[in-house]
Amino acid sequence: GAVVSQHPSRVICKSGTSVKIECRSLDFQATTMFWYRQFPKKSLMLMATSNEGSKATYEQGVEKDKFLINHASLTLSTLTVTSAHPEDSSFYICSAGGFLNTEAFFGQGTRLTVV
Amino acid sequence: AQSVTQPDIHITVSEGASLELRCNYSYGATPYLFWYVQSPGQGLQLLLKYFSGDTLVQGIKGFEAEFKRSQSSFNLRKPSVHWSDAAEYFCAVGGGLTGGGNKLTFGTGTQLKVEL
Repeated sequence: GAVVSQHPSRVICKSGTSVKIECRSLDFQATTMFWYRQFPKKSLMLMATSNEGSKATYEQGVEKDKFLINHASLTLSTLTVTSAHPEDSSFYICSAGGFLNTEAFFGQGTRLTVV
Repeated sequence: AQSVTQPDIHITVSEGASLELRCNYSYGATPYLFWYVQSPGQGLQLLLKYFSGDTLVQGIKGFEAEFKRSQSSFNLRKPSVHWSDAAEYFCAVGGGLTGGGNKLTFGTGTQLKVEL
């Protein structure tokens, strides 16, 4: 299957700073990528749909000014957590669509800890 | 709106025993259904998927799942569990070609513990 690479796998940052997470499709082009958030011992919640060359579509309740998404190319989407606070600590996972949108390929996830 | 229910939060089985993880979905049309496995601190690995055709789907690692439209279920099974199968299992539903088979709604997960 296709490979999606997410970086970094783990990051610790100070409260008030911003953190950028990258999601790359390594061997295919992804016009659409998705960002999920997973709380401890919880399911994955879709945060937003990242569209190449256009604005992201955010799910209800997700602050678009806090979670900035940029999809500048067909192989790269970035999620920036701005002015991070401890409550933003979580596991963030991206995914990219495969051929004919019949399957999602997931990155390895990023463990964000805000101290 | 689509939704997925995994009724069992935790399941413990003995190594070598059979396993069935339950999944019920709600979706207005023919769904795309998936089972993923997640080890601690890791991303998701696809076990199997169903789009159409044969309702019994074979996946990796000896897993299989059966789509039952009448019961809105897509239960995951394995005849003989190995200790390495201990992980979190997620059932997910996608919207197909128009809705996006890669825009998924996940169940709350089932934590599988395997006793040696």
